[in-house]
Amino acid sequence: DAKTTQPPSMDCAEGRAANLPCNHSTISGNEYVYWYRQIHSQGPQYIIHGLKNNETNEMASLIITEDRKSSTLILPHATLRDTAVYYCIVSALEAGSYQLTFGKGTKLSVIP
Amino acid sequence: DVKVTQSSRYLVKRTGEKVFLECVQDMDHENMFWYRQDPGLGLRLIYFSYDVKMKEKGDIPEGYSVSREKKERFSLILESASTNQTSMYLCASSLIGNGEQFFGPGTRLTVL
Repeated sequence: DAKTTQPPSMDCAEGRAANLPCNHSTISGNEYVYWYRQIHSQGPQYIIHGLKNNETNEMASLIITEDRKSSTLILPHATLRDTAVYYCIVSALEAGSYQLTFGKGTKLSVIP
Repeated sequence: DVKVTQSSRYLVKRTGEKVFLECVQDMDHENMFWYRQDPGLGLRLIYFSYDVKMKEKGDIPEGYSVSREKKERFSLILESASTNQTSMYLCASSLIGNGEQFFGPGTRLTVL
């Protein structure tokens, strides 16, 4: 059973902010929200993660709603190189690792 | 620069052959993972290992086995390859207790 729901595809104009939504209405208290992306023909790449507070790093920002049932990944100034499939994953620590279940993700196309 | 390498980028094998896929990481990570990726199904976890000689089944372990004799190396073994094991195989590693997984470039295996 999928723990997250994402739109299958989105477009974004180059230079604009890309806002990728994710619903995770059944998230448990100890589950983190992780975002990865996969550029064509490459392995997935970690972007960011959070528990309940908003997070920002050099790649993106993660906004998690107060009830933690949804989140948004923000790429502040999308470039053509950001065209990829973006995966939203919820996971808790189990046996020393976070097992990541990748769904179908959102295919983001950045348009020139 | 952190690195996860996989022994082959492309591999073609015949039905019934024994196949070894090798993965090496240079980050001294405790956890290592094997996934397969198929169109429409996303990434699915086959096996993972949280220490040398330790292994845990993932979501789809049938038809596969693994070996971890050294911390940096995690091997996926197809004892008798079948055509339904034609897929992209991705290896990843992470520190224990950390959900940031680093992925290799993948091996595209074709079983004829």
